[in-house]
Amino acid sequence: SAVISQKPSRDICQRGTSLTIQCQVDSQVTMMFWYRQQPGQSLTLIATANQGSEATYESGFVIDKFPISRPNLTFSTLTVSNMSPEDSSIYLCSVEAKGIILHNEQFFGPGTRLTVL
Amino acid sequence: LAKTTQPISMDSYEGQEVNITCSHNNIATNDYITWYQQFPSQGPRFIIQGYKTKVTNEVASLFIPADRKSSTLSLPRVSLSDTAVYYCLVGGVTGGYNKLIFGAGTRLAVHP
Repeated sequence: SAVISQKPSRDICQRGTSLTIQCQVDSQVTMMFWYRQQPGQSLTLIATANQGSEATYESGFVIDKFPISRPNLTFSTLTVSNMSPEDSSIYLCSVEAKGIILHNEQFFGPGTRLTVL
Repeated sequence: LAKTTQPISMDSYEGQEVNITCSHNNIATNDYITWYQQFPSQGPRFIIQGYKTKVTNEVASLFIPADRKSSTLSLPRVSLSDTAVYYCLVGGVTGGYNKLIFGAGTRLAVHP
């Protein structure tokens, strides 16, 4: 398994500003993923971050709005840029551990609850 | 990736067995069936995975018929703490890693 922490756990931000969310894992992992979960909704994958390469974004998400860094095998950041109230959501990171033997097994962080006023 | 369909919500009582069925008619040969559980204010948690027939662990059982077009998550003797959203996912390794696509999930409420 993997233990994942996120910072901040929650924040309230003003429209037009940016927020960077950090994701720290207690072990080295190959792939890290960023999701968004709007209130009462399911999770939507934003992008996949592989260490040493640019993130791969899902349809509807672009790098200018959600830049991602992946400087090493235990850390990643997601920035929500030029925020609007529609960006109010929970942002979660997850990891796929190295050497997994179970398909589709990911470990999720606790999430960052973002409110944009 | 195969799309899944599951009931939006279910209600049960403590001590009962709960079965949540998921349809995935377009499942591919190399797809696995995985279930996640999410409590309020927490990230999803992997609970069980299978390819065919039956899989059982300390938390749940997963029944998969021969055609694999559906699956049933079985929670024995639920308690109030099993109140959560349960997600059924199908997929496999694509491009060297597993990409999870979450459906709407089933919101299970367990009552005293």
